[in-house]
Amino acid sequence: NAGVTQTPKFRVLKTGQSMTLLCAQDMNHEYMYWYRQDPGMGLRLIHYSVGEGTTAKGEVPDGYNVSRLKKQNFLLGLESAAPSQTSVYFCASSYSINRGQPNEQFFGPGTRLTVL
Amino acid sequence: GDSVTQMEGPVTLSEEAFLTINCTYTATGYPSLFWYVQYPGEGLQLLLKATKADDKGSNKGFEATYRKETTSFHLEKGSVQVSDSAVYFCALLTGANNLFFGTGTRLTVIP
Repeated sequence: NAGVTQTPKFRVLKTGQSMTLLCAQDMNHEYMYWYRQDPGMGLRLIHYSVGEGTTAKGEVPDGYNVSRLKKQNFLLGLESAAPSQTSVYFCASSYSINRGQPNEQFFGPGTRLTVL
Repeated sequence: GDSVTQMEGPVTLSEEAFLTINCTYTATGYPSLFWYVQYPGEGLQLLLKATKADDKGSNKGFEATYRKETTSFHLEKGSVQVSDSAVYFCALLTGANNLFFGTGTRLTVIP
């Protein structure tokens, strides 16, 4: 099993450009998440999904959109990139057990995004 | 609201030294607690977890005990190795889908 994979690993954008980050998992997990990691701030949740076709906002959703058209994929989009979105982005997934409560999350290797 | 406060680093230790990284939390209800580790250039990996009070999580020589009375989940290892050099994150899982992370503690172990 590959676990959680992310594409691309690195990207440089100019302000105003758009892009999509792809996350894929082969563990048949129901839940998927997108985080950003910034120095001194830990990880913060951007959006998450509890199943195919469903998404919800996390702590810092502004400027991002997501889609979960297939259970194994979770896409993060930036419609008009801003320098404040320079960060490392991590995708994660988890299975749900025990009355639908999520369990520990498995993380991808990250995407380093720089917006000039 | 729910939050995690983690000991700030960086922490530099000699090989075979004793490690403690402090973590305290604020939460309503009964959260699950985790320690994740991030090696250079990689994503986060689950190191250990505890799901209820007085549980002790352990893995690779690391341990942490869920202390409800002090709202703490301190990470300890009796003898660190150079290969333990990484960033360690304490995290709290409450209710549905909300995993709150501390800011991370960078550990460097020197030979």
